Amino acid sequence: DAGITQSPRHKVTETGTPVTLRCHQTENHRYMYWYRQDPGHGLRLIHYSYGVKDTDKGEVSDGYSVSRSKTEDFLLTLESATSSQTSVYFCAISGFEPDGGHQPQHFGDGTRLSIL
Amino acid sequence: SQQGEEDPQALSIQEGENATMNCSYKTSINNLQWYRQNSGRGLVHLILIRSNEREKHSGRLRVTLDTSKKSSSLLITASRAADTASYFCATGGPSNTGKLIFGQGTTLQVKP
Repeated sequence: DAGITQSPRHKVTETGTPVTLRCHQTENHRYMYWYRQDPGHGLRLIHYSYGVKDTDKGEVSDGYSVSRSKTEDFLLTLESATSSQTSVYFCAISGFEPDGGHQPQHFGDGTRLSIL
Repeated sequence: SQQGEEDPQALSIQEGENATMNCSYKTSINNLQWYRQNSGRGLVHLILIRSNEREKHSGRLRVTLDTSKKSSSLLITASRAADTASYFCATGGPSNTGKLIFGQGTTLQVKP
């Protein structure tokens, strides 16, 4: 949907290992976002990017880092995964309306990450 | 921290009935959006209402916004089994970052 792909779709790994999730877009949108979704919490913003090499923290950024070396790719890295980071991770993208306001966000189908 | 709360957390109705979901929020907003999420899928945008609007329609959807009460409602009329999903409100703040704060969602079940 809306040219956004997340990989992998499912991953199981062990505590202490590094994990990288990839979000790829074909829409040439400037803004990209990483969320996690947990029962009882809805979606919470981890990090977002407003351009190549331009990123900022969200609400729950501890334990996560991101990188954006080109417009189409936004990577989320868990340097040393913990069981509390077991979650479903969603990437979203947004462009601009003609009046300069943000368009609604378009979401990928998520990555289900289990950390044992 | 979540921006607000959605009510009810779960709703079960018969096909053809109307479904109403409410969303409350805490801070100033630029806009409020509603999204739908089918099981195992990403969120899909339904409708956006700006802070200077009071009501908006899109097909069978009607959204209202009361900024004085910091609340919004989503009405789905003549519901169908295919409307079964989780519905989330999300608020966009005054800064132009596009960041959204999501509510915890309402799970809607429409029985055939």
